[in-house]
Amino acid sequence: DQQVKQNSPSLSVQEGRISILNCDYTNSMFDYFLWYKKYPAEGPTFLISISSIKDKNEDGRFTVFLNKSAKHLSLHIVPSQPGDSAVYFCAASRRGGADGLTFGKGTHLIIQP
Amino acid sequence: NAGVMQNPRHLVRRRGQEARLRCSPMKGHSHVYWYRQLPEEGLKFMVYLQKENIIDESGMPKERFSAEFPKEGPSILRIQQVVRGDSAAYFCASGRDYGYTFGSGTRLTVV
Repeated sequence: DQQVKQNSPSLSVQEGRISILNCDYTNSMFDYFLWYKKYPAEGPTFLISISSIKDKNEDGRFTVFLNKSAKHLSLHIVPSQPGDSAVYFCAASRRGGADGLTFGKGTHLIIQP
Repeated sequence: NAGVMQNPRHLVRRRGQEARLRCSPMKGHSHVYWYRQLPEEGLKFMVYLQKENIIDESGMPKERFSAEFPKEGPSILRIQQVVRGDSAAYFCASGRDYGYTFGSGTRLTVV
């Protein structure tokens, strides 16, 4: 039972354009959501998070949007850069992040020059 | 400024042997999480520990797997009598605030 779903295994975007990565969840008890970036042979690196009391959080080129009624969140990266090529994981947690994280399977983002 | 340190980076074990994976959290962090990533999968939560205390082990397989975080020293994830299906990348994270910091992982290969 996949509680956090990333339905696109891969996404290809041209450099300079906007990258939009999507994530859906099924557990309405989740109240904290995070995005991680992962390069091969490395651990995930935290990018940005959002609490369920908000619908948007922005940090530089990265913006996360949360639609609670649709149980959907998205990560926007603009403008996309070559160094953004990596696997992006969506994760969710209960109790404001105090519990362990439930991860999606990841989306491999490829930025083309 | 050491982050989360995991060792070894790579571990090869024959079926039936024991595997011990170590994790030292970031300085000042007293909480450790272990995750497993199987090929083509996301990370799966295994266990959450504080010093000398298991907080949540709901993701741990019922047999052969155990974890500890002693008062002194690193957290240890122990897998007894390993099988091929245990081959995976095992990640440790520390910190309870947003943005858990992950280590680089231990890649376990069972041959």
